[in-house]
Amino acid sequence: KQEVTQIPAALSVPEGENLVLNCSFTDSAIYNLQWFRQDPGKGLTSLLLIQSSQREQTSGRLNASLDKSSGRSTLYIAASQPGDSATYLCAVHNNDMRFGAGTRLTVKP
Amino acid sequence: GAGVSQTPSNKVTEKGKYVELRCDPISGHTALYWYRQSLGQGPEFLIYFQGTGAADDSGLPNDRFFAVRPEGSVSTLKIQRTERGDSAVYLCASSLLAGTNGYTFGSGTRLTVV
Repeated sequence: KQEVTQIPAALSVPEGENLVLNCSFTDSAIYNLQWFRQDPGKGLTSLLLIQSSQREQTSGRLNASLDKSSGRSTLYIAASQPGDSATYLCAVHNNDMRFGAGTRLTVKP
Repeated sequence: GAGVSQTPSNKVTEKGKYVELRCDPISGHTALYWYRQSLGQGPEFLIYFQGTGAADDSGLPNDRFFAVRPEGSVSTLKIQRTERGDSAVYLCASSLLAGTNGYTFGSGTRLTVV
């Protein structure tokens, strides 16, 4: 059974810092990996999707990497802003999708 | 439709009652997923459909939970004899094809059992 772990569980940084969120998974036989953002009381917003054959994806200030063989992915956020404050969830796809518990990010002005 | 639609957005029910939660996926998406999310936790897989059939229902916690997708589009999650522990946000997602594309989530149904 796929297990997904996200570290750290919570992170608080001052505005402007670059930061890295980590995701690890136990079964490397995945189709792809997806990073989501969730604001309090809201649904999930997709940020980046990395196919199993890819090493990274970039969107604006976000960069996600995937090392399938070692079961790891990172989400890099450059020049963080208070509006980035949210919970970030990593999900790995086999035929269904399994989530980590998320990293709760707070960016202080 | 343009996105995944879930209704109702909020549902309060008394312990022991029956509830139905509805999900309208993106038009043309063949794969549909149900998740449950408790406060401070990541979404927990319940069941997924490929077309009309439940391809994997291993996440359903017990036989009080059941889901259908009779025409391969709209899905209904049904919970019998609700318990307070069923209180959570129930999320639905759809994908063009299982596993090969990204998932789009609805805003969820917040279920409160009192």
